[in-house]
Amino acid sequence: DAKTTQPTSMDCAEGRAANLPCNHSTISGNEYVYWYRQIHSQGPQYIIHGLKNNETNEMASLIITEDRKSSTLILPHATLRDTAVYYCIVRVLGSGNTGKLIFGQGTTLQVKP
Amino acid sequence: DAGVIQSPRHEVTEMGQEVTLRCKPISGHDYLFWYRQTMMRGLELLIYFNNNVPIDDSGMPEDRFSAKMPNASFSTLKIQPSEPRDSAVYFCASSLAETGPYEQYFGPGTRLTVT
Repeated sequence: DAKTTQPTSMDCAEGRAANLPCNHSTISGNEYVYWYRQIHSQGPQYIIHGLKNNETNEMASLIITEDRKSSTLILPHATLRDTAVYYCIVRVLGSGNTGKLIFGQGTTLQVKP
Repeated sequence: DAGVIQSPRHEVTEMGQEVTLRCKPISGHDYLFWYRQTMMRGLELLIYFNNNVPIDDSGMPEDRFSAKMPNASFSTLKIQPSEPRDSAVYFCASSLAETGPYEQYFGPGTRLTVT
């Protein structure tokens, strides 16, 4: 499984875009990039996932570089409620998937007023 | 949908007692996962089921832990006997095969304290 590297922590001003990077330089062709977040004292929350095309949903956008070695999760207008630990996880989807999510240390995003 | 439901939300017990944690997955989901979270070890997968069948229990710490899924709408995680090092937050999650096992929806967790 490809390893991911994320900054330990980041700050963002309320109302501004939060851009959270993730490096996955050893990603293979059938591995997807998943993003989760965990707000304090709550269970992790699925945000978005993608393979190679950029993806957008009501929560965020996921930008994956053309070589797929890195990605960026974008929260377009961060609010105080977006303060959380954000996890980038790479997994095989389809034949060969194990069902296991492996959570690393993630990035602690602090949104400030 | 109510989401994943876990009970109890908090459990305080004495060492040596049996503890049973309960989970009701989202209706229609066919994967169910049990995780444990501690400050030291982070979030770790204990066991998961697909269509009520245990698929991978390699994360279960030892024989004191057992999990069952008697039907599609209910699962239990039992610790017998409990020890202080079992103190943690235990999360249950479920997902739909159609969207892939990694799009998981987590419950609010059970905070277990063993004294």
